[in-house]
Amino acid sequence: QITLKESGPTLVKPTKTLTLTCTFSGFSLSTSGVSVGWIRQPPGKALEWLALIYWNDDKHYSPSLQSRLTITKDTSKNQVVLTMTNMDPVDTATYYCAHSPDGSSWGFFDYWGQGSLVTVSS
Amino acid sequence: DIQMTQSPSSLSASVGDRVTLTCRASQGISNNLAWFQQKPGKAPKSLIYAASFLQSGVPSKFSGSGSGTDFTLTISSLQPEDFATYYCQQYNSYPLTFGGGTKVEIK
Repeated sequence: QITLKESGPTLVKPTKTLTLTCTFSGFSLSTSGVSVGWIRQPPGKALEWLALIYWNDDKHYSPSLQSRLTITKDTSKNQVVLTMTNMDPVDTATYYCAHSPDGSSWGFFDYWGQGSLVTVSS
Repeated sequence: DIQMTQSPSSLSASVGDRVTLTCRASQGISNNLAWFQQKPGKAPKSLIYAASFLQSGVPSKFSGSGSGTDFTLTISSLQPEDFATYYCQQYNSYPLTFGGGTKVEIK
């Protein structure tokens, strides 16, 4: 079965760079059409999509955060990494990675990780 | 960007009630819409994709409909485990966007 798990720091200082790793199993990111995305959720607020990377290394970013985000994949390790620069307290949120299937439902997140709470504070 | 607006933002209902949640897109998205359920402290769980297709393992009391700009999620008979927040998401075009959520509470 498909599982994903986020890992990374729980506390980040303002202006620093956040690096989160999504380690997954049950699928391969070399399979045509498959993608992995990152979504975040500030405490008590709604979900916000951040980035998506496809099997062929095609990448898409939220326009409002594009200048600060980089998404990469390591197919051999079954990992996707998200970096976010210049962190601010408003970036405090639970960060999720999620699997998106191939085919006509690209962009639909069918399996999610448990989430990683990141607090930005000095 | 396509804005997704969910209504109501919250509702109170009783066990056994039939409830309908609404999601409206700011422009047409065909049937490229998903619904998620989220319980406190948990990750979202996918319920429906392509507006009306039930994700594997999701009970048939959940149903979705709509196309274009107006969509609904219906829970046929509300059970205690269904009290949660529900989100819609469009995947017709980038950036992918979510609605603000509807919180379903116990009356």
